[in-house]
Parts: sequence; structure tokens; C-alpha cells
Amino acid sequence: GQNIDQPTEMTATEGAIVQINCTYQTSGFNGLFWYQQHAGEAPTFLSYNVLDGLEEKGRFSSFLSRSKGYSYLLLKELQMKDSASYLCAVSPNAGNNRKLIWGLGTSLAVNP
Amino acid sequence: DAGVTQSPTHLIKTRGQHVTLRCSPISGHKSVSWYQQVLGQGPQFIFQYYEKEERGRGNFPDRFSARQFPNYSSELNVNALLLGDSALYLCASSLSGTSVFFGPGTRLTVL
Repeated sequence: GQNIDQPTEMTATEGAIVQINCTYQTSGFNGLFWYQQHAGEAPTFLSYNVLDGLEEKGRFSSFLSRSKGYSYLLLKELQMKDSASYLCAVSPNAGNNRKLIWGLGTSLAVNP
Repeated sequence: DAGVTQSPTHLIKTRGQHVTLRCSPISGHKSVSWYQQVLGQGPQFIFQYYEKEERGRGNFPDRFSARQFPNYSSELNVNALLLGDSALYLCASSLSGTSVFFGPGTRLTVL
């Protein structure tokens, strides 16, 4: 089967750093995506990892270990507007079949 | 450049009716995917089209169908609506598969 696990909820303080973990078991692997979704809105693309290692993009970084089936999203210098749901998604197929398998999302609350 | 666009933004239907949702991908993107997102859950894959051909289908009943037009825009059709079809329907477009961008979604309410 295909399975993606991430924590349901997390809480952090403004200005702090938070790490959101994602573990996956899929029939294939052709990349892992992180998305941010505010309530009532569509997901917004944050990052894509297909090779092992850390990808840094401003305050957001994403890490991948394919051998461990593991990724994390690191958010630095947290701001109140970072309160949202963070979704981990895996593309199990290569080529032009780009179905994404999604986790249930991690709801992050940033407190002052 | 315009992002992915979807119409309508909101829709209210009654059980048994039919609905058509529309999506225009980012210019140059040939792949369009449809997802259903129920409140509090991650999106569920419905269909993917590439170059007007169906390339993937999720675990949804035959009441759900879709197509892609020569200009790469797409329609999702749902027949015989059920209360459980109430959800946010998301369209995503992709060029190379390394980034997938979503439209604003269509909020469907079935009464």
C-alpha cells in the first residue's frame, strides 16, 4: 500500500524554529513535495526534493533521505502568518503520470 | 503570467444533479490533474491528463469523468451528485513534474 505519515498538530512560538517530519512508504519514488495550505485556500507549493540532502529556500528548508523514507520541512524565524497546514506529498511515478500521494497534513499554530 | 485558474469558485447543487468544473493550466503546462479535498484531509487524486490523454485515475466511481481539450484546459464532470461529494476540488498543472501548482479550487456543496 501507499502511506504517508506526518504529525497531526504542532505548536511553536513566533521567532522560533520548527521541524515538521514526514515518513512515506510508496510503490515508487520520484520526488517529494511540501505544500502550505491556509484554511479555505488551495495548497501553495513550497519545495520539491528528489535527491538526498537539504534544499534551502529562504526561511524554509526541506530535507530528504530516500533510504529512510523520510523528509522534514524546517521553518525558521517563525511568523504568525506561518500558521497553516503543511502537506507532504510523494510522486510515486516518473514520466508523465504525476499522481501525488498526500499525507493528511500537519496543522501548525504559531503563538506570539 | 496567470496561474492556474478554476471556475466557478463556489457552487451549490442538490443530490442527483450534475456538475461541470473547469480548469485552465499555466501557459505552457500540458499536464492537468484533479484532486478532491474533504475538510481536514489531504487531497485525493481523481484524474491526471497529459496531452489530452488520461494518464492516471484514482479510486473514484464512474460518476466522475474528465477530459482535456486541445488548449490543455480541462473539465471535471460529476454525475448523480451525493452529499459526500461536497468538497474542495483542486486542479493542478505541471510542466516537468518537479513543481505542481494548484488553482484556487472550486468549493462544491451538495445539499
